Amino acid sequence: QKEVEQNSGPLSVPEGAIASLNCTYSDRGSQSFFWYRQYSGKSPELIMSIYSNGDKEDGRFTAQLNKASQYVSLLIRDSQPSDSATYLCAVPILTGGGNKLTFGTGTQLKVEL
Amino acid sequence: KAGVTQTPRYLIKTRGQQVTLSCSPISGHRSVSWYQQTPGQGLQFLFEYFSETQRNKGNFPGRFSGRQFSNSRSEMNVSTLELGDSALYLCASSLGPASTNYGYTFGSGTRLTVV
Repeated sequence: QKEVEQNSGPLSVPEGAIASLNCTYSDRGSQSFFWYRQYSGKSPELIMSIYSNGDKEDGRFTAQLNKASQYVSLLIRDSQPSDSATYLCAVPILTGGGNKLTFGTGTQLKVEL
Repeated sequence: KAGVTQTPRYLIKTRGQQVTLSCSPISGHRSVSWYQQTPGQGLQFLFEYFSETQRNKGNFPGRFSGRQFSNSRSEMNVSTLELGDSALYLCASSLGPASTNYGYTFGSGTRLTVV
């Protein structure tokens, strides 16, 4: 099992729809979870963090966490063409050398007019 | 507030040469992590430094090394460059190491091309 796993996509949604991005992780002890957005040719940008089970909302973005299922998701409401990017899930994973913030390979989102 | 500054932005090197990349974190941030990003492998963890100490190291050969200075600035060095080292190298700064649950802020990266 990969330490942090995401569907690579591309995920295509029409403008105004809800985009749902999913991520699973391997370390049951992980306590923090992050979503980054990366536009083509740019570096990743932190858009959401979540630490407790349940939902966390920030504008059009909602992060959902279920630690029992080792699952975290990101919902984007009223998707806009400007949301077209790759979304990376990141989780601190405990390794032999300590914690390392581990990234999934990302889900490419395309919002179509 | 200045962001994370990486220099240089672009580098072209020949196989066998060595290269040093620099990263200045956000003021007040004491943790610096380095990642290699390639289209096929995504973001791969290289090292994490906190207060001048290497906290963790990824699965990269010994040709990859790094250090952090007392002002939190960090450098990474790659010796005996190989074609496969061509990648975007990203530095990320944080208030604390990965174990402290702070988010990371990335620099713009250094695009290294080995020919």
